[in-house]
Amino acid sequence: EDKVVQSPLSLVVHEGDTVTLNCSYEVTNFRSLLWYKQEKKAPTFLFMLTSSGIEKKSGRLSSILDKKELSSILNITATQTGDSAIYLCALYTGANSKLTFGKGITLSVRP
Amino acid sequence: NAGVMQNPRHLVRRRGQEARLRCSPMKGHSHVYWYRQLPEEGLKFMVYLQKENIIDESGMPKERFSAEFPKEGPSILRIQQVVRGDSAAYFCASSQGQGALTEAFFGQGTRLTVV
Repeated sequence: EDKVVQSPLSLVVHEGDTVTLNCSYEVTNFRSLLWYKQEKKAPTFLFMLTSSGIEKKSGRLSSILDKKELSSILNITATQTGDSAIYLCALYTGANSKLTFGKGITLSVRP
Repeated sequence: NAGVMQNPRHLVRRRGQEARLRCSPMKGHSHVYWYRQLPEEGLKFMVYLQKENIIDESGMPKERFSAEFPKEGPSILRIQQVVRGDSAAYFCASSQGQGALTEAFFGQGTRLTVV
């Protein structure tokens, strides 16, 4: 069975800190890895990663995939209270485009 | 371009009633996915549909649950004879194409509470 494990499960930091969120996976047919941010509503798409070693960046957020280590990290620099959310890692596997999600990482940014 | 629209946002049903959850994909998207999120759990895949076709329903319980995506109108997730364990947030996502190289966009979800 495909598995996606995120760590840590929760994290509390102060504004201005830099955080690194981890996602590791065991899947039989990797296609791509996605990161989402979920506040009290819809998961919002952040990044899609398909190739190892190529960093994707959007403002203070960046992410990279390591297919050798079967993992990905999501970095957030200069955190703000608005970054408080659950960060979800998900993988596309197999032929039918379904996403397998991890349980998510709850990030709390204190002022 | 409106995003993925789900309604209702909140739904309360008594045990034994039916719940109907609706999802209108983003304009131009013909692929719809339903996911369920239980408290403290990640999103779990339920079913993947294209217009008039169920492509993958491997995540959907065999009984009481059904889904459709008709030629016209929204996708519907139907839960018959609801039980307390069906209480969860149900999210719909849509994508432009099949395959793992197109990102999926999520709706706001329907929070079902069974009392």
